[in-house]
Amino acid sequence: GENVEQHPSTLSVQEGDSAVIKCTYSDSASNYFPWYKQELGKGPQLIIDIRSNVGEKKDQRIAVTLNKTAKHFSLHITETQPEDSAVYFCAASKDFGNEKLTFGTGTRLTIIP
Amino acid sequence: EPEVTQTPSHQVTQMGQEVILRCVPISNHLYFYWYRQILGQKVEFLVSFYNNEISEKSEIFDDQFSVERPDGSNFTLKIRSTKLEDSAMYFCASSGTGVQPQHFGDGTRLSIL
Repeated sequence: GENVEQHPSTLSVQEGDSAVIKCTYSDSASNYFPWYKQELGKGPQLIIDIRSNVGEKKDQRIAVTLNKTAKHFSLHITETQPEDSAVYFCAASKDFGNEKLTFGTGTRLTIIP
Repeated sequence: EPEVTQTPSHQVTQMGQEVILRCVPISNHLYFYWYRQILGQKVEFLVSFYNNEISEKSEIFDDQFSVERPDGSNFTLKIRSTKLEDSAMYFCASSGTGVQPQHFGDGTRLSIL
């Protein structure tokens, strides 16, 4: 089955700097890659997603890139703010939304004011 | 914005007892899921449900577990003969048809004593 690796497990950046989180996946049939943000005591909240027919997607300060050949995808957060502090999970699935998600191990992002 | 709601937020149960975790998915969604997250670990898929039957289940979802959609709004996860290792956060998610991602509830923290 699918296996998703995520790095780093923890990341601290100065407020205003950029943060990058990377994931790799094993199943070449995966074609949908969402990113979720989990705040303390809350469930995962979708922040951005990408399908395999797209190489990059951007939404304000957040962007995701996908390299299907290398089977890796990355989350980029620019101009980080204290409210960006949370645990971020990448995930992969074989279909948009209607198949099980396989999650990475998570990255705890801390923004230092 | 519509959201997935889960009750209770925290459930404490004696080992060997049965528990039912409840979820109200987003009203026009047709696909339903249960995931769990053991403390400090990744989110793991348990089961998906569509058209009143299980679509897929993981190795974790053995005979101890069952799911049900008893009416038009609720989606439940039943765990029989609970074990200490069942202690985890359990998340319900739902998605609609077509190009819609999975939306998660805030989870039920299950503690088995």
